[in-house]
Amino acid sequence: EAQVTQNPRYLITVTGKKLTVTCSQNMNHEYMSWYRQDPGLGLRQIYYSMNVEVTDKGDVPEGYKVSRKEKRNFPLILESPSPNQTSLYFCASSLNPWVQVTRNEQFFGPGTRLTVL
Amino acid sequence: AQKITQTQPGMFVQEKEAVTLDCTYDTSDPSYGLFWYKQPSSGEMIFLIYQGSYDQQNATEGRYSLNFQKARKSANLVISASQLGDSAMYFCAMRTGGGNKLTFGTGTQLKVEL
Repeated sequence: EAQVTQNPRYLITVTGKKLTVTCSQNMNHEYMSWYRQDPGLGLRQIYYSMNVEVTDKGDVPEGYKVSRKEKRNFPLILESPSPNQTSLYFCASSLNPWVQVTRNEQFFGPGTRLTVL
Repeated sequence: AQKITQTQPGMFVQEKEAVTLDCTYDTSDPSYGLFWYKQPSSGEMIFLIYQGSYDQQNATEGRYSLNFQKARKSANLVISASQLGDSAMYFCAMRTGGGNKLTFGTGTQLKVEL
């Protein structure tokens, strides 16, 4: 089954304790992205990756890191989480937007609900 | 800057009725794509429908159709024959430029009643 998986699905942590949210896709997609969802703000892009070893900042990158060492994986790293990073996080993937220019919808993972105390 | 506006925080509709969820957008890019996603209470994001800026006809996918009015910069989602399972949050999103970044609206919470 074609899918994007995220782990963990739920996480409660404390300020300053480093954490990683994993994301993996099995569709051989080049493009991967992280979003955070907050009430009244919709979803906002944190980081994205056009391919292996190619990453760039989205709209709200502060406090986050990413890496893309393999095509299928795109982990999100919070080096020193703070309470304002409490949110619902989504990983998404799609075909290369430079090749597939029509439709090319993003497939979303199930979400990770993070609470930072 | 790209912007998506959804002015209806919440909507109610009776089962089997049609409902329109509003979405207006702002971009100076002549090439863009508009998407609608559904987020049920379980939290996942489900792609519903897509409209390209150069598409001549309004998009349709089963009970979903997109009322695309380019001059007014609106891309309203129409759900026909509402079902209880349509109760969810609905997001309008826009993609512009050469990448695949989506700019989302704030969403509309739809409740389908018996």
